[in-house]
Amino acid sequence: NAGVTQTPKFQVLKTGQSMTLQCAQDMNHNSMYWYRQDPGMGLRLIYYSASEGTTDKGEVPNGYNVSRLNKREFSLRLESAAPSQTSVYFCASNRQSTNEKLFFGSGTQLSVL
Amino acid sequence: DQQVKQNSPSLSVQEGRISILNCDYTNSMFDYFLWYKKYPAEGPTFLISISSIKDKNEDGRFTVFLNKSAKHLSLHIVPSQPGDSAVYFCAAITSGTYKYIFGTGTRLKVLA
Repeated sequence: NAGVTQTPKFQVLKTGQSMTLQCAQDMNHNSMYWYRQDPGMGLRLIYYSASEGTTDKGEVPNGYNVSRLNKREFSLRLESAAPSQTSVYFCASNRQSTNEKLFFGSGTQLSVL
Repeated sequence: DQQVKQNSPSLSVQEGRISILNCDYTNSMFDYFLWYKKYPAEGPTFLISISSIKDKNEDGRFTVFLNKSAKHLSLHIVPSQPGDSAVYFCAAITSGTYKYIFGTGTRLKVLA
């Protein structure tokens, strides 16, 4: 019973490098989300996908791109990583976009040097 | 602009006593609220939610109270247990939208 799976769990990048964070859910959920967690800032929404084929910006989208590859998978890409993107990234999903709890993955800890 | 605020970064409570975690919001369009618990190195897990048509919702040891006029909600944990030690986040959303907005979290420590 995997739920929401994120890879990798840890990553260290140099400034300017690119990488993609992967997320997959096996609950047949329609909506998927990417959040970042920073000390004193809580969880902030980066991008979300209400359904397969759609993506929209959240509160802090700058410096990120996303792809909803299929119903199961939602990836987050950093094209040119910056130290300000050092954070813990969480992927989440739910069956429908609103008024329903989110299921979170275990997170990716990213450090940009 | 922090639309959902948790003004207490931390809280310590004795085992068996009541823990009260508070959350304030500024957006009057929010009509659904959730509480999440997070342990270190894990993702947040859902605890309890409440719709704006209610002012109270209970689930076992957890009760959430909503005061719409004050734009305030609180989570009560009774009795508190050491395993409740975690960071608690409140979140809010407006029906028909997709943006769950989270607070900054409160670290609860339950002392044995």
